[in-house]
Amino acid sequence: TQLLEQSPQFLSIQEGENLTVYCNSSSVFSSLQWYRQEPGEGPVLLVTVVTGGEVKKLKRLTFQFGDARKDSSLHITAAQPGDTGLYLCAGNSGGSNYKLTFGKGTLLTVNP
Amino acid sequence: EAGVAQSPRYKIIEKRQSVAFWCNPISGHATLYWYQQILGQGPKLLIQFQNNGVVDDSQLPKDRFSAERLKGVDSTLKIQPAKLEDSAVYLCASKRGPMNTEAFFGQGTRLTVV
Repeated sequence: TQLLEQSPQFLSIQEGENLTVYCNSSSVFSSLQWYRQEPGEGPVLLVTVVTGGEVKKLKRLTFQFGDARKDSSLHITAAQPGDTGLYLCAGNSGGSNYKLTFGKGTLLTVNP
Repeated sequence: EAGVAQSPRYKIIEKRQSVAFWCNPISGHATLYWYQQILGQGPKLLIQFQNNGVVDDSQLPKDRFSAERLKGVDSTLKIQPAKLEDSAVYLCASKRGPMNTEAFFGQGTRLTVV
């Protein structure tokens, strides 16, 4: 079973601060995805990273895939209250099944 | 484009009772997943369908859980009999095909077993 460890588990910051959350595994993934989940809703895809070392930006969010495709990070610049939510990373094992394995998530609270 | 529809949104049952959840994926999406998300954890895959065939059910507790997708569209997930530890949000997700990367999730069904 491929495991994804996310850290920190909880993060509470003030509006305007920067933060980074991490997703680590001992396994190699063909691709890795980041989702955000708000209370009472299903996860919503933010980004998919495929190539080792890849960096993708989505407005104030920067996603990086590790060179060895075992880890990833999400950096948020100047966090806003609207960024509050559960951030989940999910690794894709590839193959014909394309199985998606989720980490436990980082619960982010941005206080105004 | 309509999203993934799930019902009911909430369900409270007593232990040892039965319960069923329904999912209508996005039109044209061949791949359908059922996930279990326990409070404070990430979603755990229970079963994956490709059209009406099961691709992966290795983490489905088959002694009490069952799922079907008879016509390759809608799907139902059943628990019989329910245990206290089954209390969780049950998420359905779909995507166009096995090689597509983006899965779209429904709002989930929150099950409480008392």
